[in-house]
Amino acid sequence: GQNIDQPTEMTATEGAIVQINCTYQTSGFNGLFWYQQHAGEAPTFLSYNVLDGLEEKGRFSSFLSRSKGYSYLLLKELQMKDSASYLCAVVSGAGSYQLTFGKGTKLSVIP
Amino acid sequence: ETGVTQTPRHLVMGMTNKKSLKCEQHLGHNAMYWYKQSAKKPLELMFVYSLEERVENNSVPSRFSPECPNSSHLFLHLHTLQPEDSALYLCASSQDYGGWLDGYTFGSGTRLTVV
Repeated sequence: GQNIDQPTEMTATEGAIVQINCTYQTSGFNGLFWYQQHAGEAPTFLSYNVLDGLEEKGRFSSFLSRSKGYSYLLLKELQMKDSASYLCAVVSGAGSYQLTFGKGTKLSVIP
Repeated sequence: ETGVTQTPRHLVMGMTNKKSLKCEQHLGHNAMYWYKQSAKKPLELMFVYSLEERVENNSVPSRFSPECPNSSHLFLHLHTLQPEDSALYLCASSQDYGGWLDGYTFGSGTRLTVV
């Protein structure tokens, strides 16, 4: 079956760096997404990794290790507006293109 | 309008009611999705439509009935729901089914409460 794990909640200080981890066990792998979801709003696309390594986009970076079934989202220079849930989602293979989501990590940024 | 628009934003319905959720996208995407988001649970894929044909149906109870009349519109018809169906229902679209390089674009969702 599919299993995606991420911490339920994290707290970090404004201006700091935070790393949100995601581990997965899926039948097949066609890439991993990170989404940001503010309370009451739509999830918005942050990143997509399909090859091992680090992808950087401004203050946000995402890392993937396929052999370890592991990814992380790194947020630098945290701002109050970064308080949100961060969803890890894996595209499994085996003839299906479904996105399987983790439960999300609720990040609270404090002054 | 751009993006993915869902209506209504909030819906309260009795267990014997019939209602419909609407999703509209103006992105020229060919694939559309219904997801259910319950508290403390992951987003669950319900249905996938590609070029107006249903391609995925994840063992969803028959009290949920999707409809895709054209590539821009997606409906979720609801009837005789249960209280445990109360959740946030999210619509999403992507350029193609399996064309995920740009990710899915989600709507803001319909918050459904079944009483």
